[in-house]
Amino acid sequence: EAGVVQSPRYKIIEKKQPVAFWCNPISGHNTLYWYLQNLGQGPELLIRYENEEAVDDSQLPKDRFSAERLKGVDSTLKIQPAELGDSAVYLCASSSGLDTDTQYFGPGTRLTVL
Amino acid sequence: GNSVTQMEGPVTLSEEAFLTINCTYTATGYPSLFWYVQYPGEGLQLLLKATKADDKGSNKGFEATYRKETTSFHLEKGSVQVSDSAVYFCALSAPNYGGSQGNLIFGKGTKLSVKP
Repeated sequence: EAGVVQSPRYKIIEKKQPVAFWCNPISGHNTLYWYLQNLGQGPELLIRYENEEAVDDSQLPKDRFSAERLKGVDSTLKIQPAELGDSAVYLCASSSGLDTDTQYFGPGTRLTVL
Repeated sequence: GNSVTQMEGPVTLSEEAFLTINCTYTATGYPSLFWYVQYPGEGLQLLLKATKADDKGSNKGFEATYRKETTSFHLEKGSVQVSDSAVYFCALSAPNYGGSQGNLIFGKGTKLSVKP
């Protein structure tokens, strides 16, 4: 069974540029999460989807961040415009309806904003 | 609010040494507790979990017991190997009702290095 797939693995951009990250969860997993992991810190939730509905986006900085999961499968997280402080690893995770406690993480996208 | 505090690293041990990584939590209600591991260059992997008081989670020689009276979930292993070198994260699943239920709250992570 394939795990959570994320792309790109690494991204370097200039500040004020837009950037997008893509995630494909494990097949059949209804719940999808985007996390932000700063260097030396634990992941922090940005947004959680149940199918195509964002059920918790309270931690998403909506002035510059947006996300979508149009068909309830893969998802895109966007930053526009990027700031220096957005340099971090962006993690995607998914879980099934049968075991919402167990989340499966992708390898992450490491973003560097110059 | 809900939070997780774990001992700061890095922790450096010799092969076959005993490992303890402390983790305490603050939560309203009864959270589920987890240990995740992140090997170099890889994503987080669930190592073990416990869903109620006095439960013991175990996997790959690692153990942790859900202690409600001390709000702790310390990770232990009797004999570490070089291959255990990684960053370990303690986490809880938010027990609140509504939108945040099921969300994971992580500690800052503890980096373990095991020397041969």
